[in-house]
Amino acid sequence: GQNIDQPTEMTATEGAIVQINCTYQTSGFNGLFWYQQHAGEAPTFLSYNVLDGLEEKGRFSSFLSRSKGYSYLLLKELQMKDSASYLCAVPLKAAGNKLTFGGGTRVLVKP
Amino acid sequence: DAGVTQSPTHLIKTRGQHVTLRCSPISGHKSVSWYQQVLGQGPQFIFQYYEKEERGRGNFPDRFSARQFPNYSSELNVNALLLGDSALYLCASSLYREYDGNTIYFGEGSWLTVV
Repeated sequence: GQNIDQPTEMTATEGAIVQINCTYQTSGFNGLFWYQQHAGEAPTFLSYNVLDGLEEKGRFSSFLSRSKGYSYLLLKELQMKDSASYLCAVPLKAAGNKLTFGGGTRVLVKP
Repeated sequence: DAGVTQSPTHLIKTRGQHVTLRCSPISGHKSVSWYQQVLGQGPQFIFQYYEKEERGRGNFPDRFSARQFPNYSSELNVNALLLGDSALYLCASSLYREYDGNTIYFGEGSWLTVV
């Protein structure tokens, strides 16, 4: 089976940095997704990591350690519009686009 | 190019009724999956269809069914609605059946409220 854990909620100040951790247990690993979801909207793709290390995309970076079953999403220079839920997800190996999601981390950015 | 489109966007049903939700994948995408997202939780996998055949099923009762048409669009049907079926239903589209690193795209979802 698969199990994904991430914190429920985080609060940060505009301009600051926030790190959202995700730990996973899966019988077969085939990469890890991060999605952003604003309230009432669909998830939108942020990143996909399949190899260990840090991948940077502008203000957002994602890190993966396969040996530790651990990933994090780093949000830099926080903006008010970054207030959203951030979902960590892993695809079940050889099962197409069946994703197992964590419960999501709600990030609240304060002025 | 149009993204993943879903209809209806919002609907209200009464307990015991039936509902049909529709999804059109991105042009050229042959795989469609359905997810249920209850408020405050992550999406839960319901079905995957590829080339008009069911390729995966999540832990949902038989009241939930789906199908995929020759044009790769899909319908999700839920019978005998319960209050607990109130959720955002998401459709996800991707190019292939097997995961190969391609990105999965979500539609805007259909908000179902059961009263």
